[in-house]
Amino acid sequence: NAGVTQTPKFQVLKTGQSMTLQCAQDMNHNSMYWYRQDPGMGLRLIYYSASEGTTDKGEVPNGYNVSRLNKREFSLRLESAAPSQTSVYFCASSDPDQAYEQYFGPGTRLTVT
Amino acid sequence: AQSVTQPDIHITVSEGASLELRCNYSYGATPYLFWYVQSPGQGLQLLLKYFSGDTLVQGIKGFEAEFKRSQSSFNLRKPSVHWSDAAEYFCAVARFSGGYNKLIFGAGTRLAVHP
Repeated sequence: NAGVTQTPKFQVLKTGQSMTLQCAQDMNHNSMYWYRQDPGMGLRLIYYSASEGTTDKGEVPNGYNVSRLNKREFSLRLESAAPSQTSVYFCASSDPDQAYEQYFGPGTRLTVT
Repeated sequence: AQSVTQPDIHITVSEGASLELRCNYSYGATPYLFWYVQSPGQGLQLLLKYFSGDTLVQGIKGFEAEFKRSQSSFNLRKPSVHWSDAAEYFCAVARFSGGYNKLIFGAGTRLAVHP
C-alpha cells in the first residue's frame, strides 16, 4: 500500500499561471481533503469530499477548485496563482469505519513568484 | 466555534529529558482529539487519539496523552526524549459534519532536541 500520494513534490509558478495538484489514495477511503499549511497557522482545510461525486468548501476555499475524479483521486486546481497561495499543500483521506483517522500525503511545496 | 490552542510555538529539551506539549481545545460536546507529528519535509503521522473511555491514551513512539475535561486540555507527554523526536507536533479536534469528520488543527509546537 502506498497510502496517500501527491504530485508534484515541488512547484514554482509565476503569478497568474494555473496548475493542478494531484492526490490519490489506495486505502478505499470515502472521504478526502485538501489542506494548506502556513507557518504559525497549522493546517487549514481548503476543500473536502465526503464521497465520490461530492465536494464542499472548507475554511479557505477562495482561489481554488477541486475535482473528485473517482474514489481514489482528488485534485486541487489553482486557476490563477497568487503569491498568497505560496504554501505547503497536503492531501488526506479517511473513512468512518476507521474511526475518523485521517491519513496524510507527503505534501506539495508551492511557491508563487 | 471549535478551536485548538497550542500555547508553545517552540520548545527545546535535552535528549533523555521528559517532555510535555500543551493543547487546549474549545468544543461543545465530548471531543475527539488527536496528536499528529510532522518530521521535516514529511507529511503528518498520527501519534494517538482519544475518543472516549480511559483518559490516558498511549500512542506510538512512546508517547502518551491525558484528556482532562475540567481543564479542556489534551497534553502530550513522553518520559524520555530521543533526538529523533525533533519535529513539529499538532493537536487537533474533530468536528463532525455531514457524517464525516473535519479536523481543526492547532498552530503546532516545534520541538528541538539538544544532544
